[in-house]
Amino acid sequence: EIVLTQSPVTLSLSPGERATLSCRASQSVSNYLAWYQQKPGQAPRLLIYDASNRATGIPARFSGSGSGTDFTLTISSLEPEDFAVYYCQERNNWPRITFGQGTRLEIK
Amino acid sequence: QVQLVQSGAEVKKPGASVKVSCKASGYTFTSHGFNWVRQAPGQGLEWMGWISGYNDNTKYPQKVQGRVTLTTHTSTSTAYMELRNLTSDDTAVYYCARDSGSSTHSDYWGQGTLVTVSS
Repeated sequence: EIVLTQSPVTLSLSPGERATLSCRASQSVSNYLAWYQQKPGQAPRLLIYDASNRATGIPARFSGSGSGTDFTLTISSLEPEDFAVYYCQERNNWPRITFGQGTRLEIK
Repeated sequence: QVQLVQSGAEVKKPGASVKVSCKASGYTFTSHGFNWVRQAPGQGLEWMGWISGYNDNTKYPQKVQGRVTLTTHTSTSTAYMELRNLTSDDTAVYYCARDSGSSTHSDYWGQGTLVTVSS
């Protein structure tokens, strides 16, 4: 069973700063890695799929990179609406899905 | 536009069963599978299973295997999740999510259904 470990658990930054979130897999997941954003009381929203592809309607300040076991979600310049919880998800062993435990991005 | 609309909140007693529905619109129902994901209060996301949109194939994680059944009703474009023998640990928001065309991720999500298990 693949385990996804996200770091940091909490990230405190100010609007305008750059955010870098990490997701590490216990074994290779190729590029089958997605990122979701979740705000309180809302369903998760797809941001990035297949490691580096932005989903429809996602602003260009969000980017994803990595392959194999190490992945990064970068938000180039934080907007107030970006403060939320972010989850990575792998699907290397379709149709099974594993989620990371989440990174909380909070306003400093 | 693609929409997934789930049934309303439920309160159940321990040992009971719950069935949550997810009505899809805005696309060809049989072209995409569904994932079900739950989130306990203050916790992360947990995958509950997958069902094909066209042939009823399913896959469940070992943790809930035997207690969960996913089904679809093609004529009404609705997916269902039934969870049996409920305990307080099953208290969570349950989401349905559409499998993407490439099946590597979920591209549309329902609004969630809160299931509370309490005596």
